[in-house]
Amino acid sequence: QKEVEQNSGPLSVPEGAIASLNCTYSDRGSQSFFWYRQYSGKSPELIMSIYSNGDKEDGRFTAQLNKASQYVSLLIRDSQPSDSATYLCAVNIEYNDMRFGAGTRLTVKP
Amino acid sequence: GAVVSQHPSRVICKSGTSVKIECRSLDFQATTMFWYRQFPKKSLMLMATSNEGSKATYEQGVEKDKFLINHASLTLSTLTVTSAHPEDSSFYICSATRGLYGYTFGSGTRLTVV
Repeated sequence: QKEVEQNSGPLSVPEGAIASLNCTYSDRGSQSFFWYRQYSGKSPELIMSIYSNGDKEDGRFTAQLNKASQYVSLLIRDSQPSDSATYLCAVNIEYNDMRFGAGTRLTVKP
Repeated sequence: GAVVSQHPSRVICKSGTSVKIECRSLDFQATTMFWYRQFPKKSLMLMATSNEGSKATYEQGVEKDKFLINHASLTLSTLTVTSAHPEDSSFYICSATRGLYGYTFGSGTRLTVV
């Protein structure tokens, strides 16, 4: 079993819709969880971090964490074509050791 | 805050030559940095973990004599691709860890070997 698993997609949503990205992880001791966005030909950039169970909202983005189910998700409301990118889920399994999912490619169609 | 500068952003070199890529943490100290490579439309692939003042730890299948890593200070790690060949052409990305606050990535270096 991979340490961090994501549906590779591609996920396609119409402009204005909610995009839902999901991620599961295997290490129950993980403390920190992150979502990165990577545009084609660019390096990943951090868009959300979450450390405790529940929801965390930042603008159009909401991260959701359920440690009991070992599940973290990212919701993007009012999706825009500029949100089209690959989204990477990342989990800190130890202090300086973060593991990445393979990424989900999102396309927002105008 | 938490900026990682990577240089150069693009480099074209001749086959057989060596190329050095620099990764600097500008506003924090990074005892641990990471080097990745990424092929088009593929996932990030961790190449090695760079530890300040000690030898790098390479992932299985990564040739340590070909990809030389030096992490001589708390703010600088370098990756040297030695005797580069066209198959080494790729997008190389560094990152620095801020512990539980995640990784910050450099902007990447696109290497083309001709």
